[in-house]
Amino acid sequence: GAVVSQHPSWVICKSGTSVKIECRSLDFQATTMFWYRQFPKQSLMLMATSNEGSKATYEQGVEKDKFLINHASLTLSTLTVTSAHPEDSSFYICSASGTSGRSTDTQYFGPGTRLTVL
Amino acid sequence: GQQLNQSPQSMFIQEGEDVSMNCTSSSIFNTWLWYKQDPGEGPVLLIALYKAGELTSNGRLTAQFGITRKDSFLNISASIPSDVGIYFCAGQLTSGSRLTFGEGTQLTVNP
Repeated sequence: GAVVSQHPSWVICKSGTSVKIECRSLDFQATTMFWYRQFPKQSLMLMATSNEGSKATYEQGVEKDKFLINHASLTLSTLTVTSAHPEDSSFYICSASGTSGRSTDTQYFGPGTRLTVL
Repeated sequence: GQQLNQSPQSMFIQEGEDVSMNCTSSSIFNTWLWYKQDPGEGPVLLIALYKAGELTSNGRLTAQFGITRKDSFLNISASIPSDVGIYFCAGQLTSGSRLTFGEGTQLTVNP
C-alpha cells in the first residue's frame, strides 16, 4: 500500500512552453500533497503544500503564478510549470499524506519527474 | 528553508561493514523519518519514529529517536552493494505537516 505515482517520468520542452506534472495516490486518499524540487547532489526543497479543495500554500521565494498547483481530488494533484525556462530544469517530486491503512499522515513520495527545458 | 544537520555527507565502505549516520536539529521534532533515494527516483521511506527514545528496526536497519527530540541516527548492519544511495533524515513537527530534510548522506559500498 501507500503508492504514489507521477506522470510523466521525464519531459523535455522548449523554452516558453508550459508543462503539467501529475501526482496520484493510488491506494489511499491524500488529504495533503507536497511538491518538491531537487537539484543535482542537493536535498529536496519544498515548493508548496496543497490540501484537497484548497489553494496551495507556497514557500517563500516560489512564484505561485509560475508554478500552478491544483489539488482537485483526494487522489490527484497537478503542478504546471508555466512559461518554462532553462533554469526551471530540475527533478520535481511530489509526496502525499493521508490515511493509508498502515500509518496516518506519513508522507510517501512519487518517483519524480525530470524536467529539461531547452 | 531550514535544514537539519546530517552527517557524514558521504561514506565509502566495504561490503559487510556496518554504517552509522545521524541528524541533529536546533529545534525539536515530534516525528523523525529516514528515507533512501536511488538515482533518478523519489525517496523511499525506510523507518518512521514517533516517540522520543524509540528504537525501531527494519531488517538490517535500525533507527533511534533521540530523547531530546533534536536528533536521530540510522544504523545499517552488514552492508551490501544494493545499500548504495543517498539517505535522508527528515523531521516533522506535527502529523501531516511539512518535512524538514537533512542534506543527505551518500553511501557507496565497495564489493
